[in-house]
Amino acid sequence: SAVISQKPSRDICQRGTSLTIQCQVDSQVTMMFWYRQQPGQSLTLIATANQGSEATYESGFVIDKFPISRPNLTFSTLTVSNMSPEDSSIYLCSVDGGELQSNEQFFGPGTRLTVL
Amino acid sequence: DAKTTQPPSMDCAEGRAANLPCNHSTISGNEYVYWYRQIHSQGPQYIIHGLKNNETNEMASLIITEDRKSSTLILPHATLRDTAVYYCIVRPGGYIPTFGRGTSLIVHP
Repeated sequence: SAVISQKPSRDICQRGTSLTIQCQVDSQVTMMFWYRQQPGQSLTLIATANQGSEATYESGFVIDKFPISRPNLTFSTLTVSNMSPEDSSIYLCSVDGGELQSNEQFFGPGTRLTVL
Repeated sequence: DAKTTQPPSMDCAEGRAANLPCNHSTISGNEYVYWYRQIHSQGPQYIIHGLKNNETNEMASLIITEDRKSSTLILPHATLRDTAVYYCIVRPGGYIPTFGRGTSLIVHP
């Protein structure tokens, strides 16, 4: 199975600032995913990040607000830009296990963001 | 995207079997049934998946009806640590899962 770590685990930020969340995987993976989970809600996919290409964003999410980097096959970052209190959520990084893992999806522990 | 229907909440006594139902009446032939769970303040955890045969692993059993329109996740001996939100997801293998609201399972002493 893939082991995923995220930094920071939590943060409290002021509105108007930006926060970059890091995701590190212990093995090389083709696709990495970023989800958001607002308080009391289920997970919503923000974007898919493939190494060597621009991220693909889901409806309602744009690159200017959530820029993503994918410099190599084990690492990705998600930036939450110009934050507002509505951005307070848990942000989760995820990878697909691929054929060797029967298409399981593995998730990081999440980053709990509070915007004041 | 309501491909699955789950009860919003269930409860179960510790040591008893927890049977979590899921309806997926519009499932396609190439779609698998996946189950994940999310323990409070943690990322979701894969439990089990199946196509049409019943499956069992160290965590749970998955029973899929013959017409594949519904399934049941069985935790044979629930413990307090099984208290979590359980998500039933239908998707083709290799596709990105879409999460619904899931079932909040509370295991009580």
